[in-house]
Amino acid sequence: AQKITQTQPGMFVQEKEAVTLDCTYDTSDPSYGLFWYKQPSSGEMIFLIYQGSYDQQNATEGRYSLNFQKARKSANLVISASQLGDSAMYFCAMRELYNQGGKLIFGQGTELSVKP
Amino acid sequence: EAGVAQSPRYKIIEKRQSVAFWCNPISGHATLYWYQQILGQGPKLLIQFQNNGVVDDSQLPKDRFSAERLKGVDSTLKIQPAKLEDSAVYLCASSLDVREETQYFGPGTRLLVL
Repeated sequence: AQKITQTQPGMFVQEKEAVTLDCTYDTSDPSYGLFWYKQPSSGEMIFLIYQGSYDQQNATEGRYSLNFQKARKSANLVISASQLGDSAMYFCAMRELYNQGGKLIFGQGTELSVKP
Repeated sequence: EAGVAQSPRYKIIEKRQSVAFWCNPISGHATLYWYQQILGQGPKLLIQFQNNGVVDDSQLPKDRFSAERLKGVDSTLKIQPAKLEDSAVYLCASSLDVREETQYFGPGTRLLVL
């Protein structure tokens, strides 16, 4: 069964507008973490934001925020005021503390293109 | 603070040849991970070390892949012999320890097997 699902293979957004990248997950582990990484064409994975399963508030990091809806098992990334440099692949990932030994499980990714 | 270092950045080999990748994690990070990322997919864990011990190698094709982290610092991943389907980006990541949430990734090694 797919643990992490990113249903948007590609997204376009106008510069300075906000964009939401979707992520749903599946786990029976009561303790887990959700991550978003950015992967530009250079190839490295850049950590953006983290949400723990017990966190009461949605995580925010600068222009990035994570819309965490635990009952719906979704963890969408919101990028506000998009910039041209935001064009990249974005990966949602989950870390189950008990079931999977702590390894990261990644989704298929969403390619974001920011238009000037 | 220096990030995760990997070398080489690119490698082209013929099938049935062998290849080795090197990773030096962030200083003080006890946990080291090797991921394989095939084009168009998210990374998949190959092996996880805690210091110099293996925590998880369940998805490592052990008939051709091997990895070591002898002194608990840098690590080497080897493929011998390589197959066409091994063409991928090999990413190394590290974290403070296995309980630490955030993993930090290196730039990756792009392998092409012809």
